[in-house]
Amino acid sequence: AQSVSQHNHHVILSEAASLELGCNYSYGGTVNLFWYVQYPGQHLQLLLKYFSGDPLVKGIKGFEAEFIKSKFSFNLRKPSVQWSDTAEYFCAAYSSASKIIFGSGTRLSIRP
Amino acid sequence: GAGVSQSPSNKVTEKGKDVELRCDPISGHTALYWYRQSLGQGLEFLIYFQGNSAPDKSGLPSDRFSAERTGGSVSTLTIQRTQQEDSAVYLCASSQPPRRETSGANVLTFGAGSRLTVL
Repeated sequence: AQSVSQHNHHVILSEAASLELGCNYSYGGTVNLFWYVQYPGQHLQLLLKYFSGDPLVKGIKGFEAEFIKSKFSFNLRKPSVQWSDTAEYFCAAYSSASKIIFGSGTRLSIRP
Repeated sequence: GAGVSQSPSNKVTEKGKDVELRCDPISGHTALYWYRQSLGQGLEFLIYFQGNSAPDKSGLPSDRFSAERTGGSVSTLTIQRTQQEDSAVYLCASSQPPRRETSGANVLTFGAGSRLTVL
């Protein structure tokens, strides 16, 4: 069955630290990959997406993610986090003739 | 409308009662998803509607759960004989049709959710 795995459930960092959140998917074939973010009290919103082309995609607020097909991974990165990045982050995947599946989410806490 | 609208925003019910949750997607979005968000469980897929195709119901946790989408627009998620473990936030999201090369394809716009509490 298709699945998306996020192995970090809760990450705590200090401001200016670098961030990497892991995401692995089990879909075969062509996939669309996404990272969504949910800030406290707000709706889920798109952070970035990969459909095709350059495997390194850039999103809003300085986030980027790299699609590594051989590893079935789509890890999220940010070189220097800010307190305002405190949120829950969800990885998601879509494959044709399927549907969009989300991972279990990673809660990011930033110490000011 | 400008966004995905869900109602009610909060629902408290007694165990054994039926509840209906409504989702009004963005106009023109043919894809509509229902997810359940529970603490520590992430976003659990429930059901997926795409245009006039038969819905993908593979995520519905039991036969107490059902959903319909009328006229390709508004959707209603119904939970019969609610149980305490049904307590969660139920999220609806919609998107443009899943054509790979369309920039908006598969990009979900979420509603604010319906928080269900079963006593």
